[in-house]
Amino acid sequence: QVQLQQWGAGLLKPSETLSLTCAVYGGSFSGYYWSWIRQPPGKGLEWIGEINHSGSTNYNPSLKSRVTISVDTSKNQFSLKLSSVTAADTAVYYCAKITSIAVAGKNYYYMDVWGKGTTVTVSS
Amino acid sequence: DIQMTQSPSSLSASVGDRVTITCRASQSISSYLNWYQQKPGKAPKLLIYAASSLQSGVPSRFSGSGSGTDFTLTISSLQPEDFATYYCQQSYSTVRFTFGPGTKVDIK
Repeated sequence: QVQLQQWGAGLLKPSETLSLTCAVYGGSFSGYYWSWIRQPPGKGLEWIGEINHSGSTNYNPSLKSRVTISVDTSKNQFSLKLSSVTAADTAVYYCAKITSIAVAGKNYYYMDVWGKGTTVTVSS
Repeated sequence: DIQMTQSPSSLSASVGDRVTITCRASQSISSYLNWYQQKPGKAPKLLIYAASSLQSGVPSRFSGSGSGTDFTLTISSLQPEDFATYYCQQSYSTVRFTFGPGTKVDIK
């Protein structure tokens, strides 16, 4: 049973870089995409981006200029960096495992394992 | 970009009620639609994937239907542990995932 443990700095000043890491335990690291999602206080969920074990990434265009997701396969970890943060980046950040299933020639993707979340506050 | 909407934004229901939540995509997404449940202070939990497939371990009172642009999540008999916020999510577009704004289900 895959479990995700995440950590990182919880309080940042404007213009600093957010840095979070998610470790994968208890299952295969390769063969999946690994994702970051955030949720501002009292609001909905926003997909940030994803990476696979070979380092192939996809990013949300709205954040792409500031986001870097990287992978360390030796540690079964993946990381998020978000540069030039502002108060609008204050949110709970989640990491998640993306599973793909093939049905009738189509590949369906969903997030079936989530980390507990890290609260990040940006304040001067 | 594909936009997702949900209705209602909130609803009040009683234990035992049948509850239906609707999700609509701004363009056809075939069956590339997932449903999640989120309780306060917790991470979302996958309920339904590919519009109608029940995730392992999820009670059978949850069901999903629809394809194209219109989708439904149904809870056949609401239980106390089902009071939560429910999100739909599309996985069709190259912007891999977009979530709906959520539907909060609370106690009447």
